[in-house]
Amino acid sequence: EPEVTQTPSHQVTQMGQEVILRCVPISNHLYFYWYRQILGQKVEFLVSFYNNEISEKSEIFDDQFSVERPDGSNFTLKIRSTKLEDSAMYFCASSVNSDLGDPYEQYFGPGTRLTVT
Amino acid sequence: TQLLEQSPQFLSIQEGENLTVYCNSSSVFSSLQWYRQEPGEGPVLLVTVVTGGEVKKLKRLTFQFGDARKDSSLHITAAQPGDTGLYLCAGEPLSGGSYIPTFGRGTSLIVHP
Repeated sequence: EPEVTQTPSHQVTQMGQEVILRCVPISNHLYFYWYRQILGQKVEFLVSFYNNEISEKSEIFDDQFSVERPDGSNFTLKIRSTKLEDSAMYFCASSVNSDLGDPYEQYFGPGTRLTVT
Repeated sequence: TQLLEQSPQFLSIQEGENLTVYCNSSSVFSSLQWYRQEPGEGPVLLVTVVTGGEVKKLKRLTFQFGDARKDSSLHITAAQPGDTGLYLCAGEPLSGGSYIPTFGRGTSLIVHP
């Protein structure tokens, strides 16, 4: 069964460093998302991406964050200068085109645990 | 204020018991999704409910969408230890004007053997 994959599973970085989190969405999906979940808290939407551009972004997704789909398979989240409070699980998700199914049915990857020290 | 309120927050039961968890909002949703999340893993989609009053069954799990599409419930019959996990509801309110998915805080379920 197709699944969303994410790398790395765990990333440790120092405050102020740049990190890039990588995701490979399900191949026929057209909508891509990033979420974060701080330990013990709820899943929070960061950004959605469709047709090679950002569709929506939350207040969390400030100028320190960017997303990119550099090729036909990868979808990346970059944090330019990490802060301690960026420590969280980051989940990538994807969903199909609305013509083929419910775009709100999102399939999540296993997550990347980001630890900023 | 939480857009999606889930209750109870925690539930600890014995194997074989039945349970219901709730997802409530003052907003109308075009659809609601239910996910189960295990520690250190991503949420796994269980079901989507779309039509007001809709009932969907997934083996021992029964999902219901309220008539007004503001609330949903998940009923588990004869719970098993494998049902242990965090149950999340999520959706996007119709009044939003944009699609920004919202998650509830979840119900943490523990089923003891």
